Amino acid sequence: GDSVTQMEGPVTLSEEAFLTINCTYTATGYPSLFWYVQYPGEGLQLLLKATKADDKGSNKGFEATYRKETTSFHLEKGSVQVSDSAVYFCALSDQGSGYALNFGKGTSLLVTP
Amino acid sequence: DSGVTQTPKHLITATGQRVTLRCSPRSGDLSVYWYQQSLDQGLQFLIQYYNGEERAKGNILERFSAQQFPDLHSELNLSSLELGDSALYFCASSPPKAGYTFGSGTRLTVV
Repeated sequence: GDSVTQMEGPVTLSEEAFLTINCTYTATGYPSLFWYVQYPGEGLQLLLKATKADDKGSNKGFEATYRKETTSFHLEKGSVQVSDSAVYFCALSDQGSGYALNFGKGTSLLVTP
Repeated sequence: DSGVTQTPKHLITATGQRVTLRCSPRSGDLSVYWYQQSLDQGLQFLIQYYNGEERAKGNILERFSAQQFPDLHSELNLSSLELGDSALYFCASSPPKAGYTFGSGTRLTVV
């Protein structure tokens, strides 16, 4: 079945550092890929998405490119801020599962001043 | 405000009891998805409804059930509760591929 694997955290970075959170997936079809963010005590917010190979999703300085050849969707940001501290989830959905989201385990990010 | 409304925000109940969680999707969204978030299992898809009909099932226990009403709100019923059912329960609504909008969740604590 479909699955998503994320790098394990926690990830601790200094403010203005470069961020990469790795995400790879396994899917039988042609999934859509998502990154969600969960701030402490809050629900999940869609950060960015990509629906086909080579698409690049971007939002708030974060980017991820849908790489079919490497089945990856790594999240990057050039300069993180303290306010980016949160848990980040990679997820996929496809028609075979009724478009339900299949999540990775999440990566906790802590940005220090 | 995401537009997806979940009630109640917090629920504390005893083992063996039954509870009902409620979700109202964004205006115009026909699909409702239920997810469970726990420390050991992470985020797990439970069940999906589309315009009143069950569309997909995930890792939903037999003690759990859901339905979607004609006004499109959905209820998740959890019965014979166990300590391990303590978790955050989220619902989301979405048109396909557009990116899901999540509610703020219901935190269930079973004591």
